[in-house]
Amino acid sequence: GQNIDQPTEMTATEGAIVQINCTYQTSGFNGLFWYQQHAGEAPTFLSYNVLDGLEEKGRFSSFLSRSKGYSYLLLKELQMKDSASYLCAVRSNTNAGKSTFGDGTTLTVKP
Amino acid sequence: DAGVTQSPTHLIKTRGQQVTLRCSPKSGHDTVSWYQQALGQGPQFIFQYYEEEERQRGNFPDRFSGHQFPNYSSELNVNALLLGDSALYLCASSPGTTSYEQYFGPGTRLTVT
Repeated sequence: GQNIDQPTEMTATEGAIVQINCTYQTSGFNGLFWYQQHAGEAPTFLSYNVLDGLEEKGRFSSFLSRSKGYSYLLLKELQMKDSASYLCAVRSNTNAGKSTFGDGTTLTVKP
Repeated sequence: DAGVTQSPTHLIKTRGQQVTLRCSPKSGHDTVSWYQQALGQGPQFIFQYYEEEERQRGNFPDRFSGHQFPNYSSELNVNALLLGDSALYLCASSPGTTSYEQYFGPGTRLTVT
């Protein structure tokens, strides 16, 4: 079976750094996605990790440890517009469309 | 370049009715996946269409069916609606079944009363 765990909610201050963790147990692994979803809107792609390590993309970085079934999304220099739900999703086979999503972490950025 | 589009935006139906949702993929994309997202949860994979055939299916009953047209657009049909079918239905397109690129449409909010 597939199991993906993320914290339900997090709160952080504008300008700070926040780390959103994701642990997974899946029958197969081909990569891990992070998506951002603002309330009432579609998920938008943030990152895709296949190999272990940290990948940096501007203010956002994503880390993967395949042996530990663990990933995190790091958001730096938080802005109010970063308030959103952050979804972790695992691609368990070569078919990207059949990704398994966690329930998301709702991040609230406060002034 | 238009992204993924979906129609309608919102829909209200009564239990037992049938509904059809529509999706046009991003230009250049030939693969369409459908997801159901209940409030407070992550999207759940329903099925995927490629070359006008259903290629993958998630854990959804046969009341959920779909179709893909030669222009790659797709429909999701749900029969015998239940209250639990109330959700945001997301369509995602990708350039092939193995690409990790996946772009989501804005979704259709279905309310079953």
